[in-house]
Amino acid sequence: EVQLVESGGGLVRPGGSLRLSCAASGLTFSSYAMNWVRQAPGKGLEWVSSISSGSTTIHYADSVKGRFTISRDNAKNSLYLQINSLRADDTALYYCASDPRLGSEIDHWGRGTLVTVSS
Amino acid sequence: ETVMTQSPATLSVSPGERATLSCRASQSVGSTLAWYQHKPGQAPRLLIYYASTRATGIPARFSGSGSGTEFTLTISSLQSEDFAVYYCQQYNNWPLTFGGGTKVEIK
Repeated sequence: EVQLVESGGGLVRPGGSLRLSCAASGLTFSSYAMNWVRQAPGKGLEWVSSISSGSTTIHYADSVKGRFTISRDNAKNSLYLQINSLRADDTALYYCASDPRLGSEIDHWGRGTLVTVSS
Repeated sequence: ETVMTQSPATLSVSPGERATLSCRASQSVGSTLAWYQHKPGQAPRLLIYYASTRATGIPARFSGSGSGTEFTLTISSLQSEDFAVYYCQQYNNWPLTFGGGTKVEIK
């Protein structure tokens, strides 16, 4: 069974930083592209960033470009999201998700980690 | 950016009835369209990919159709566990974009 478990969320002040992590199991992590998708309170799903299996190709949503950095460690079966210069509109549940090829359907999701930006 | 628009926003259906959900893309996405089911407190679940292919383990009562800019998710006979929010998503081009969701609620 595929499991994606996010961690690292919390309450942070505007302008602050956090590093989200996602621990993957039950899949050959190094063969999968990975994504971060978020959901603001009461809103729908919003794609944030994607990274190819070998980290050679990365994409970001315009809303986070320059502030967020996605990375992965295939030896540790882990995905990361460094989020800087946080704003109130970054408040959301952040999901880790896998897809079999970069830019394909998202086949597995975690349960998310909550990031709250507030003074 | 390809804007995905879902309708209706809320669909009230009785158990056992058929539900039809729509998704429209602002430009053609071919067949690179997925549907997800999302229940509160749970991870979203992939239902359909390439517009009409059911994901592993998805019951046959879920079916997808369409191509280009118009897509449909049909649930042939709603079960109690099907009441949830459903999202479409295109993966034809970057950025990946989701529709706003359709909430299927008990009538």
